[in-house]
Order: sequence, then C-alpha cells, then structure tokens
Amino acid sequence: EIVLTQSPATLSLSPGERATLSCRASQSVSSYLAWYQQKPGQAPRLLIYDASNRATGIPARFSGSGSGTDFTLTISSLEPEDFAVYYCQQRSNWPQTFGQGTRLEIK
Amino acid sequence: EVQLLESGGGLVQPGGSLRVSCAVSGFTFTSYAMNWVRQAPGKGLEWVSAISGSGDSTYYTDSVKGRFTISRDNSKNTLYLQMNSLRAEDTAVYYCAKVKQMYDSSGSLDYWGQGTLVTVSS
Repeated sequence: EIVLTQSPATLSLSPGERATLSCRASQSVSSYLAWYQQKPGQAPRLLIYDASNRATGIPARFSGSGSGTDFTLTISSLEPEDFAVYYCQQRSNWPQTFGQGTRLEIK
Repeated sequence: EVQLLESGGGLVQPGGSLRVSCAVSGFTFTSYAMNWVRQAPGKGLEWVSAISGSGDSTYYTDSVKGRFTISRDNSKNTLYLQMNSLRAEDTAVYYCAKVKQMYDSSGSLDYWGQGTLVTVSS
C-alpha cells in the first residue's frame, strides 16, 4: 500500500498570506494525485486532480504541482473561506489511499 | 445537477450487518466508477471500496476485504455497500463519491454525497 505523508500537520497563517502544503508518497504515483478540501460538517471537495489540474469551479489561487513522490498544493493568497482541512489522495495503485490531512488554521 | 444521496446508516451491534445505499442523479451512472470513502469521528478520510461502471470490477481496502461487498444496480442508479461482521472500528460517516474520469475505475472523486453515519456499538 502506498503511504501518503502530509506536512505540516497544522499550518497557522493569516488571510492574504501564501500557503504551501506538502504531500509525499512512499513510492511513485506518477501524476495520479488529487487534493481535497474539507470543512467541518461537510463532504470533501475536489480541488486539484492529476497533480496540477484545477477542478471545475475552483479559484485560480489554488494550484498544484509535483510528480513522482513529492507534491505541493499552493494557495497564493488566503481567503477566509480557505481555512479548512486538506487531504491528498493517490489513484496510482490499489488500494487508493489518502494522506492524514493538513489543518489550515487562522493565525 | 449531479446529486448523490446516501441512506441506510444507523446503530448496529458488533458482528452485525448493515447495507448502505447511494442514489444518484444528474449523470450517466453506467459510465462512471463509484467509490465509498469513510471518516471515523474526528479522524481523516479512508478509502474503502470502488466499483467500475459496469460493476464487473471491484476493489477494497485490506481492512474490509471479505467483510464488505460493493455493488451497483445500474437500472436504479444506485450504489450499495453491504457490510458484514461489523467491528467498532468500522464506526464512521460513509460517503459515496463519483469518479471524475469517464470509464476509469481509478479516479479523482469529483462529486460526494453528504454521508451516512454507521455506529457499531453494543
């Protein structure tokens, strides 16, 4: 099973700042990595698929990069609604797996 | 508009069984694989199972193999998860989710239901 390790576990930033979230895979997943945002009491929302493609309706301040084992989700300028938990997910190998999440909180 | 609506969650005793369902609308159900993802209280997301659009191929995480069965009824636009030999550690909100990529069994999940809570406790 491919293990995804997200860092940091918690990120404390202020609105307007840049956020950089990391996801590292225990073996190569090529570009088959997605990012999701989850707010309390809500289902996850797809942000980025296949490492760098924004999903429908996702603002341009969200971007994804990386391939192989190292991936990054960047939020260029944080809006108040961006404070949430973020998960990465790989679809390269069965079983699919999620990272443990990064909590983005208001500083 | 794509909609996914789970049902069937509830309280079940350890060792018991439960079937959760996911009724979908707004897209051609047979063209897309579907997944179940769960989230234990206060914890992260855990992928559980997937099924191809035709239903011919199924996939499971190791912890549920032999106990859970994913299926779909394409005539009813409904996805199912039959859960047997339930354990306390199966307690979670169960989400159904649609794969983004048409005809791809393994894909990013672009639409999710609101989830249904399954509690395993005596």
